[in-house]
Amino acid sequence: AQSVTQPDIHITVSEGASLELRCNYSYGATPYLFWYVQSPGQGLQLLLKYFSGDTLVQGIKGFEAEFKRSQSSFNLRKPSVHWSDAAEYFCAVGSGGGADGLTFGKGTHLIIQP
Amino acid sequence: NAGVTQTPKFQVLKTGQSMTLQCAQDMNHNSMYWYRQDPGMGLRLIYYSASEGTTDKGEVPNGYNVSRLNKREFSLRLESAAPSQTSVYFCASSEYGGPPVYEQYFGPGTRLTVT
Repeated sequence: AQSVTQPDIHITVSEGASLELRCNYSYGATPYLFWYVQSPGQGLQLLLKYFSGDTLVQGIKGFEAEFKRSQSSFNLRKPSVHWSDAAEYFCAVGSGGGADGLTFGKGTHLIIQP
Repeated sequence: NAGVTQTPKFQVLKTGQSMTLQCAQDMNHNSMYWYRQDPGMGLRLIYYSASEGTTDKGEVPNGYNVSRLNKREFSLRLESAAPSQTSVYFCASSEYGGPPVYEQYFGPGTRLTVT
């Protein structure tokens, strides 16, 4: 069975500093990987996705993520965070079966210090 | 284009009561999903419908039933609510039911409290 681990429950970053959120997955075949963001009281918004090809993917709001097969990781990065980036971030993996839902990590809560 | 809509936004039930959560999408997507979100647990899949006319269990289906009413609508029913079903429920849809896995679009959620 596939699984996703987000090792950091909370991360605090100063505004303007760089950010890296970690995600490790477990899946036997080629994974389909996603990062979603959830602002308080809101639904989930897709930041970026990886299906195949270039292992560095660009997303919305200045985020990027790098797929590293050897480390089973898909870490999310941003060079300079803004106060509006404070939110919950979820990494998810989908199976090659296609339609049978995503498996989510437990999330990382990002706090931005002024 | 409203995307994925859910009703109601909030609901309080007493133990043993029943209710149906409604979900509709206007993106002509084939696949629809119901997740629940609990603190510290991320999102867990309850049921999904890969295409109109099919439904399958996800990770946590006990205590729930679903109906794919048509291509647009996918409802989740709690027959006899329990306090353990207090959660935020999200509906999602995606374009295609086969590989590769397309991203899912989420509704705003329904916050359910069972007392």
